Amino acid sequence: GNSVTQMEGPVTLSEEAFLTINCTYTATGYPSLFWYVQYPGEGLQLLLKATKADDKGSNKGFEATYRKETTSFHLEKGSVQVSDSAVYFCALRSQGAQKLVFGQGTRLTINP
Amino acid sequence: DVKVTQSSRYLVKRTGEKVFLECVQDMDHENMFWYRQDPGLGLRLIYFSYDVKMKEKGDIPEGYSVSREKKERFSLILESASTNQTSMYLCASSFPPTGFGYTFGSGTRLTVV
Repeated sequence: GNSVTQMEGPVTLSEEAFLTINCTYTATGYPSLFWYVQYPGEGLQLLLKATKADDKGSNKGFEATYRKETTSFHLEKGSVQVSDSAVYFCALRSQGAQKLVFGQGTRLTINP
Repeated sequence: DVKVTQSSRYLVKRTGEKVFLECVQDMDHENMFWYRQDPGLGLRLIYFSYDVKMKEKGDIPEGYSVSREKKERFSLILESASTNQTSMYLCASSFPPTGFGYTFGSGTRLTVV
């Protein structure tokens, strides 16, 4: 079946550090891929998405590239801020499906 | 902006009670979903609905039921609450196809004592 695997958290970084959160997936065909962010006390918000191989999604300084050859969609940001502290979820939607499949989430804490 | 509103942010119920969690969306979305979120387990799908009066089981439907009498409202029902149903419950909606992703509510943190 379809699945998403994220790197184990929690991740703690200092402000202005480089961020990578790894995400790999298992799915048939060409799924759409998503990153969601959950700030403390809130629901999930769509951060970025990519719908085909080699697409790059970007938003708020975050980027992720859809790599079909490595079945990956790693989230990156060049210089993190304290306000980026949140839980990040990778997700996929397989072709023809309506549902999203989520990874287990990665908690990120940025220290000043 | 699409809004998905969950009726309660925090709820405390007793074991054995029947519990209703309400979710309302205001953008005429066909699809609605209920997830529970637990540390280390991510989001797990309980039930979803593609249309009024239509429902399908997700990955963990045991102990839950749902109701969708109107397009904008999707209710999650815990028939007889148990302590292992203490969790964060998240409602989401989407307009097919979900290439646009989901819009989530703020969540209801339910504690069953």
